[in-house]
This record gives sequence, C-alpha cells and structure tokens, in this order.
Amino acid sequence: AQSVTQLGSHVSVSEGALVLLRCNYSSSVPPYLFWYVQYPNQGLQLLLKYTSAATLVKGINGFEAEFKKSETSFHLTKPSAHMSDAAEYFCAVIHTGGFKTIFGAGTRLFVKA
Amino acid sequence: EADIYQTPRYLVIGTGKKITLECSQTMGHDKMYWYQQDPGMELHLIHYSYGVNSTEKGDLSSESTVSRIRTEHFPLTLESARPSHTSQYLCASSASGRGYEQYFGPGTRLTVT
Repeated sequence: AQSVTQLGSHVSVSEGALVLLRCNYSSSVPPYLFWYVQYPNQGLQLLLKYTSAATLVKGINGFEAEFKKSETSFHLTKPSAHMSDAAEYFCAVIHTGGFKTIFGAGTRLFVKA
Repeated sequence: EADIYQTPRYLVIGTGKKITLECSQTMGHDKMYWYQQDPGMELHLIHYSYGVNSTEKGDLSSESTVSRIRTEHFPLTLESARPSHTSQYLCASSASGRGYEQYFGPGTRLTVT
C-alpha cells in the first residue's frame, strides 16, 4: 500500500532563508512523486514531479526536490524564501500503472519579513 | 485558454436541500476526480471517472453522486445536505498517458447550516 508522510504541519522561515519541506513515501513499486502548492482560496497547482528520469527535479518558482530511493524521501527545497511562497504544500505519490494518487496532509509554509 | 472551472465558489445552504456542484474542464482530459478537503487533512478522493459513462466511488464514504455524460463535465450532487457535508470540494482532471499529474479547479466551499 502507498502512503505519504509530510513531517511538520507548519514550517516558518524568514524571507531569504532556505525552505525545506519534508516528504517520505512508501510504495512497493517505482513511484511517481509530486509536489503541489495551494494558495488561499485556490485549488492545487503542480510545482514539480519525479518520473524516474532524473533524481533532482526542478520546478516552478525556484523550487526543486530530490528523489532519494534509499531514504524513500522526496524533500522540497528552495534556496531563498520569498513572501509570495507562503502557501500550503502537498506531497503526493502514485505508482506506475496506478489510478489513485495519495496525498499527504500538507505543510503550511509561513514566511516572515 | 485550457482550464478547469468550478461553480459556485462558495455556497451556504440549509439542511435537507439538494445541491449540485459543477465542474467543467476544457483540456479534453479523460479522467476526472472529486476530492474533499478539510483543514490539516490529506485530500480524500470521493469520486472519479475514467471517461464518459464511467464513474466510481473513491475511498471516502460519501452520500453524494456524480455523472459523466460529457467528457468536459463532471457534476457532483448531494440529494440532502447535512452539516457533516460542510467542507471544501475540489475537482481535478488528468490525461491518460501524460504522467499522472492532475489539474485542479479553484474549489467550492460548502457550508450546510
């Protein structure tokens, strides 16, 4: 069975600081992994996805994530936080050939001026 | 512009009323989904569709029903709204063979009084 665990329901960083949002997954077969972002009163928007082509994946708005099979992790990072990055971030997994995407509970990112 | 739309965005309704939440997409995607989202919780899949005339219930027990008569339209109906139905409802779509990422509408926030 697949599952996704996001460590920390809330993360607070200062503007300009490193952003690190943690995601661990479990999957018995090679997974597709995603990070989505949700701004207030909006739906989810795809930030980036891992599809086995490269372990370091670059997404929109300066975010990137690294797939580490040995750690079953897919942590999201951004070198320098911006006020506009304040949002909720969801990690998600689906296995190849699957039909159901499993979402984590989300991490709310706060950016302090 | 290709997009996914949900109406209404906000709805406050009394117990026992019948309601339909609308979802339409202009991307020609074959798969569509309805999720229920509550604060601090993962998204729960309540219905999905692989194509016209194909609908299935998701993991979360729901008293709602859906239909898929046209590719672009996937409405969700509650025959008798109850306060326990108060939540955010997100519609999404995806295309087979294009990497599993989903495209989300802006959501409908439903309050049943």
